[in-house]
Amino acid sequence: EVQLVESGGGLVKPGESLRLSCVASGFTFSSYTMNWVRQAPGKGLEWVSLISSSSSHKYYADSVKGRFIISRDNAKNSLFLQMNNLGVEDTAVYYCARPHDYWGQGTLVTVSS
Amino acid sequence: EIVLTQSPDFQSVTPKEKVTITCRASQSIGSSLHWYQQKPGQSPKLLIKYASQSFSGVPSRFSGSGSGTDFTLTINGLEAEDAATYYCHQSNALPETFGGGTKVEIK
Repeated sequence: EVQLVESGGGLVKPGESLRLSCVASGFTFSSYTMNWVRQAPGKGLEWVSLISSSSSHKYYADSVKGRFIISRDNAKNSLFLQMNNLGVEDTAVYYCARPHDYWGQGTLVTVSS
Repeated sequence: EIVLTQSPDFQSVTPKEKVTITCRASQSIGSSLHWYQQKPGQSPKLLIKYASQSFSGVPSRFSGSGSGTDFTLTINGLEAEDAATYYCHQSNALPETFGGGTKVEIK
């Protein structure tokens, strides 16, 4: 059974940093591109970032480019999102997702002073 | 950026009725269009991938069609458990984008 479990969310102040993690199981993680997608409270879905299976290619939404860094550790079946200089507009549930089928349960990031 | 326009935004439907949700892309995306169902407090669940491919475990009343710029999600015989918000998603070009969602309510 494919499982994706995110962690690392929480309440931070504007300008602070947070690192999200996603642990995968039930499939060969190292063979898959992976995504981060977020959803602000009461809003729709927004793609955030993508990383290729070998980490050779990384892409970001314009809204997070230069502030967020996606990475992975295939030996540990883990995906990460380093989020720096957070703003209130980054408040959302962050999901890791295997294209284009399975999603994790999400982790809530709240940015507020 | 490819914009996906879903319609309608909201639909109130009687059980057993047929539901049709459309998704229009601002440029051709081939068949790289996926449909998700999201219930309150839950993560999105895949229904249809690549426009018309059913996903394992999804009831057969859900089907998808279309290619290029116009796509449709059909629910044949709505059930009470289908109350949810439905999103389309394109993976043809970066940035990947999502439609604004269609909320389906059961009358």
